[in-house]
Amino acid sequence: DAGVTQSPTHLIKTRGQQVTLRCSPISGHKSVSWYQQVLGQGPQFIFQYYEKEERGRGNFPDRFSARQFPNYSSELNVNALLLGDSALYLCASSLQATNTGELFFGEGSRLTVL
Amino acid sequence: GQQVMQIPQYQHVQEGEDFTTYCNSSTTLSNIQWYKQRPGGHPVFLIQLVKSGEVKKQKRLTFQFGEAKKNSSLHITATQTTDVGTYFCAVGTGGFKTIFGAGTRLFVKA
Repeated sequence: DAGVTQSPTHLIKTRGQQVTLRCSPISGHKSVSWYQQVLGQGPQFIFQYYEKEERGRGNFPDRFSARQFPNYSSELNVNALLLGDSALYLCASSLQATNTGELFFGEGSRLTVL
Repeated sequence: GQQVMQIPQYQHVQEGEDFTTYCNSSTTLSNIQWYKQRPGGHPVFLIQLVKSGEVKKQKRLTFQFGEAKKNSSLHITATQTTDVGTYFCAVGTGGFKTIFGAGTRLFVKA
């Protein structure tokens, strides 16, 4: 079975641009979470979606938004990019709606903002 | 919001030496998870602890959950070069969020 897949794997943007990152969860997983990982730090929670509804939001500005589709795939959008948005964006899927089970991470999308 | 402190930040060991990383919370935890991230990779789930005082072993790895459910540790016996990476603890908060510690980066010298 395929694991969590994310696209694109790498991308370069300039300040002020917008970016869309995509994630397909493991088949049967209805929960998707997004994390931002800056080099040398732990993953920072951005969003969690379950059954197409936002269930949790981290301390990120409104420039960050996400949605989950009927097939449980998800998109993360970041508007008005700043240099500080350069990071590895990780998507994780899980079976549970709540934070009581294993998170399965994708390989991530590495965003560089110039 | 919920935070977890993880120490040490870095650990250099000679192959064959033991390694321990600690995770501490100011509040009682419902559960704690441990993940490993290899250099250039993504976090991979190792284990989840739920019960007070719980101890679980996976080969050379021993995981403990404190009696008060406010701290946890991961101990690796006789490290190998394959143990290189960053070890994160992660805790649930607010029902839906899983918050990660800053991680302990392990370097193993052959």
